[in-house]
Amino acid sequence: SQQGEEDPQALSIQEGENATMNCSYKTSINNLQWYRQNSGRGLVHLILIRSNEREKHSGRLRVTLDTSKKSSSLLITASRAADTASYFCATVHSGSARQLTFGSGTQLTVLP
Amino acid sequence: EAQVTQNPRYLITVTGKKLTVTCSQNMNHEYMSWYRQDPGLGLRQIYYSMNVEVTDKGDVPEGYKVSRKEKRNFPLILESPSPNQTSLYFCASSLQQGEQYFGPGTRLTVT
Repeated sequence: SQQGEEDPQALSIQEGENATMNCSYKTSINNLQWYRQNSGRGLVHLILIRSNEREKHSGRLRVTLDTSKKSSSLLITASRAADTASYFCATVHSGSARQLTFGSGTQLTVLP
Repeated sequence: EAQVTQNPRYLITVTGKKLTVTCSQNMNHEYMSWYRQDPGLGLRQIYYSMNVEVTDKGDVPEGYKVSRKEKRNFPLILESPSPNQTSLYFCASSLQQGEQYFGPGTRLTVT
C-alpha cells in the first residue's frame, strides 16, 4: 500500500519561481526521504529528515516535517529548467524492517 | 565509483519464458530491494533483503523470486513471466534505514 501521498500530482512553474510539494503519510515513521527521478531513470536521493527533526536544508532545497500532521513539504527555491523531474517522498516506518514506502510522486515542470 | 548495476537494461520476452534480472552493488550495503514502477502507481516494493540469506516479501511479490547468496548480488527471477509484469524495474541498496542508491532500471516487456 502507498504510505506517502504527494500533492500536487503535477506542478508547472516559471524558471526562478519557488516550487513546493507536499507529502502526507499514515503511520509513525523513523525518517522521511525525498527522491528525484528524471524521466525513465533511476531515483536519486535528495534529502533525509528524521522524525525528531522539523526542518532541513540542502542547497536550494528545504524540507519540513510535521509529525503531528503526518506531513512533509519540499521547497525548491529559484527553480531552474534542469529541476524538471518527478519528485517522490518515501517513508521508513517505525519498528518496521520493510524500509521505504514510496508515494506516487509529483511531476514538476519548470518552464524556461 | 559507488554504484548499483542492473542487467539487462531492456528486455522483450514472451509469456512463460523464465528470465533473471541481475543486480549488483559495490558499497557493501546490507539492505537490497527490488521495486517496480508503473504509471500512476509510483514505486512498489517487490522483495527486499536485510542481509545474506535473509529475504522477505514486499507489497507485490506474486510472480517473482529472489535470492541473496552473496552480499553484493540480489537477482530478480521471473519463473513464468506474464504481460502484467511489463514494467520498469529498479534495484536499490542501502545501509539500514538510510538513503537508498538506485540502479538505472530495467525496462521489461512481456508479450
